[in-house]
Amino acid sequence: AQRVTQPEKLLSVFKGAPVELKCNYSYSGSPELFWYVQYSRQRLQLLLRHISRESIKGFTADLNKGETSFHLKKPFAQEEDSAMYYCALSGRNTGNQFYFGTGTSLTVIP
Amino acid sequence: SQTIHQWPATLVQPVGSPLSLECTVEGTSNPNLYWYRQAAGRGLQLLFYSVGIGQISSEVPQNLSASRPQDRQFILSSKKLLLSDSGFYLCAWGRQGLGYGYTFGSGTRLTVV
Repeated sequence: AQRVTQPEKLLSVFKGAPVELKCNYSYSGSPELFWYVQYSRQRLQLLLRHISRESIKGFTADLNKGETSFHLKKPFAQEEDSAMYYCALSGRNTGNQFYFGTGTSLTVIP
Repeated sequence: SQTIHQWPATLVQPVGSPLSLECTVEGTSNPNLYWYRQAAGRGLQLLFYSVGIGQISSEVPQNLSASRPQDRQFILSSKKLLLSDSGFYLCAWGRQGLGYGYTFGSGTRLTVV
């Protein structure tokens, strides 16, 4: 069965420090992985998806099929990065549905 | 451009009362539609999804039901609310096919008292 695990519920880093939000998944087949972000008082929104190989707001995420991970990284955290982050998985086996992790609340300390 | 509307933003309902949350999408046709519940420490739980008018799939057996009377309208309902139905409900739409993300509505905070 498909599963998304975000082991850290809370993560605090200082401004300017590197940040890594962990995401591991379980899926039989080729998954599509995504990161969603919810800033305070805003709606949940797509941050990035692995197939685009893009960098959004300085964040990147690489799909590691060997380790079944899709960690979100940023070399220098900013205060405005403080938000709730969700890792999500989709694929042909999920019927176009997304399965979300439990989320990681990131706080960037000034 | 595509937009998604969800209302009401907040709702306080007594136990045993009915519920109707509505979600509509504009600017696209034949979207996949989803209802999620967001709970602290539990992440996003998929409740229902729909790939077309009248086509509803339930992920979690519960006190809720969903309907899709029109292509771009998705309704979450209950005949009798329970205290455990309190939570933050999110509607989302997505394109058919893989590789696309969801677009979420602004959510409804439901408190059952």
